[in-house]
Amino acid sequence: GAVVSQHPSWVICKSGTSVKIECRSLDFQATTMFWYRQFPKQSLMLMATSNEGSKATYEQGVEKDKFLINHASLTLSTLTVTSAHPEDSSFYICSARDPRQGAAKNIQYFGAGTRLSVL
Amino acid sequence: AQKITQTQPGMFVQEKEAVTLDCTYDTSDPSYGLFWYKQPSSGEMIFLIYQGSYDQQNATEGRYSLNFQKARKSANLVISASQLGDSAMYFCAMRESEGAQKLVFGQGTRLTINP
Repeated sequence: GAVVSQHPSWVICKSGTSVKIECRSLDFQATTMFWYRQFPKQSLMLMATSNEGSKATYEQGVEKDKFLINHASLTLSTLTVTSAHPEDSSFYICSARDPRQGAAKNIQYFGAGTRLSVL
Repeated sequence: AQKITQTQPGMFVQEKEAVTLDCTYDTSDPSYGLFWYKQPSSGEMIFLIYQGSYDQQNATEGRYSLNFQKARKSANLVISASQLGDSAMYFCAMRESEGAQKLVFGQGTRLTINP
């Protein structure tokens, strides 16, 4: 099956610092990965689409300079929350599209998520 | 307007009973995909089942089946013989068109299985 690993699972940081979250596809190559944010008891909100070797596509209202995304290889995408503030505290979860499933299905497989707490 | 609607915020079911989780969708594109994901309290999103708009038969994966009614634009998830481990949030999602990469998620249904 398709396995996506996300690290760290939980991070606490001080206000003003930056935090990097990694998302790796372990058994397949992912040209496209996705970053979501989820508030408690709410649905997933897509933040950006990460494309290997090119700039990420951000959703409306998401600050590019605040949430830096890098997809430098076919198995790794990173999300860096820069100058984090308490309002950035949330659950961040990544997913990767498994091309082996075929373009029509476009099934996304998710990491386990990262709980970020900014003090 | 909501593109994916899950009208049941919470469902309570006795163990071993079957349960149906509702999902209706809205798209004007003839080629789309529908997905169901399970999110336990630990947070990870687990892919359950997929239905393509042109698929002739309802999708099935073990105890999960998708009741796809195209004319009604509904894609209900049916879980047979429910187990305690089925307690989780369930999200319905849609890929709106053939070339779309993004998924649109519904608000979710919290399913609780009672022993």
